[in-house]
Amino acid sequence: QQQVKQSPQSLIVQKGGISIINCAYENTAFDYFPWYQQFPGKGPALLIAIRPDVSEKKEGRFTISFNKSAKQFSLHIMDSQPGDSATYFCAASLDQGAQKLVFGQGTRLTINP
Amino acid sequence: DAGITQSPRHKVTETGTPVTLRCHQTENHRYMYWYRQDPGHGLRLIHYSYGVKDTDKGEVSDGYSVSRSKTEDFLLTLESATSSQTSVYFCATGQSRNTEAFFGQGTRLTVV
Repeated sequence: QQQVKQSPQSLIVQKGGISIINCAYENTAFDYFPWYQQFPGKGPALLIAIRPDVSEKKEGRFTISFNKSAKQFSLHIMDSQPGDSATYFCAASLDQGAQKLVFGQGTRLTINP
Repeated sequence: DAGITQSPRHKVTETGTPVTLRCHQTENHRYMYWYRQDPGHGLRLIHYSYGVKDTDKGEVSDGYSVSRSKTEDFLLTLESATSSQTSVYFCATGQSRNTEAFFGQGTRLTVV
């Protein structure tokens, strides 16, 4: 079963716009929620992560919003740039572990210049 | 890529043949993982290791085995490859359980 569901599958945004990717999880025991960015031919790389004791975390143009009661979290990319074009994965893990991850299906983001 | 080298990077093999993928890391990370990436499924955990000779099964371990005889090497073996094992395989490492996972560049395996 898919414990972490990600949407949309693909997303096209104009340069300078806001990109929003959503994830929903089922297991309330998850306690670590990272977002990974992957470029073609490369492995995923950690972009930003959040633990459930906070509702929002911001790093530069990237923000995670976390809604514990709804079991949802989302990635917002402000002022989206063509270099942000990549596949993004949300993930979740248990027991404060950060590596034994359950991933969402991925979102292919394209930023048009 | 945090000093992670996966080999081979690409492989085509026939159904029923054994295949071994290698992950080599130079970071002295204790924790190592094998994931497979398939369209529509994201990445799924196959096996993981918390140290030399300490391995365990992940979400999709059927048809796979692993070995870790040295800290730096984590081997993934497909005993008898099937077409359903056509995938991109990623190795990941971590210094401790609650620190960032670093991924290698992947091995694209095609089973024909």
